[in-house]
Amino acid sequence: DGGITQSPKYLFRKEGQNVTLSCEQNLNHDAMYWYRQDPGQGLRLIYYSQIVNDFQKGDIAEGYSVSREKKESFPLTVTSAQKNPTAFYLCASSTTFGHLHFGNGTRLTVT
Amino acid sequence: DQQVKQNSPSLSVQEGRISILNCDYTNSMFDYFLWYKKYPAEGPTFLISISSIKDKNEDGRFTVFLNKSAKHLSLHIVPSQPGDSAVYFCAASVGKSSGDKLTFGTGTRLAVRP
Repeated sequence: DGGITQSPKYLFRKEGQNVTLSCEQNLNHDAMYWYRQDPGQGLRLIYYSQIVNDFQKGDIAEGYSVSREKKESFPLTVTSAQKNPTAFYLCASSTTFGHLHFGNGTRLTVT
Repeated sequence: DQQVKQNSPSLSVQEGRISILNCDYTNSMFDYFLWYKKYPAEGPTFLISISSIKDKNEDGRFTVFLNKSAKHLSLHIVPSQPGDSAVYFCAASVGKSSGDKLTFGTGTRLAVRP
């Protein structure tokens, strides 16, 4: 079955450590996205990539970094510069003007 | 500035009755609207969409109504079923754009009571 796999489901890190969230898709979608969800807020776009080896900042990119070396993969690194990293992170993919297909998310807790 | 607002954080409805979820927007340039449904510990899934050239779009038990003059859209679920219990997000964009152009609301948690 085609879909988006995010791993791990839960992640715990100490403050000051970088952490990388995995996102893999086998839908053959060109575009991939990272969103963050906080309680009482809508989904906010962190980074997106329309094509391999290219990516753009979203609305809240500070403290995050990404790479897109393969079409199937779009890992997100939460760096120590991100002031409030504890959140639910969602990866998504789409065709050029298609609907977003989301993974099941990674809940990151930083203490 | 919240351009897409879902002012009701939660809604509880009896099974078999109608559920009405509301969404307001402030950006008059928005002309394409979507609803996503999200179960706990899962990612959102696309439910239904509407373009501003229409005022209604129907898909089975789900109907979305768009009132452009009021900058308001609503999602009707008839009849509501316990499996509809989820968080519903509305989203808007200018044109049928790619995901980076979507603006999401804060979500409404629907609980359908058996």
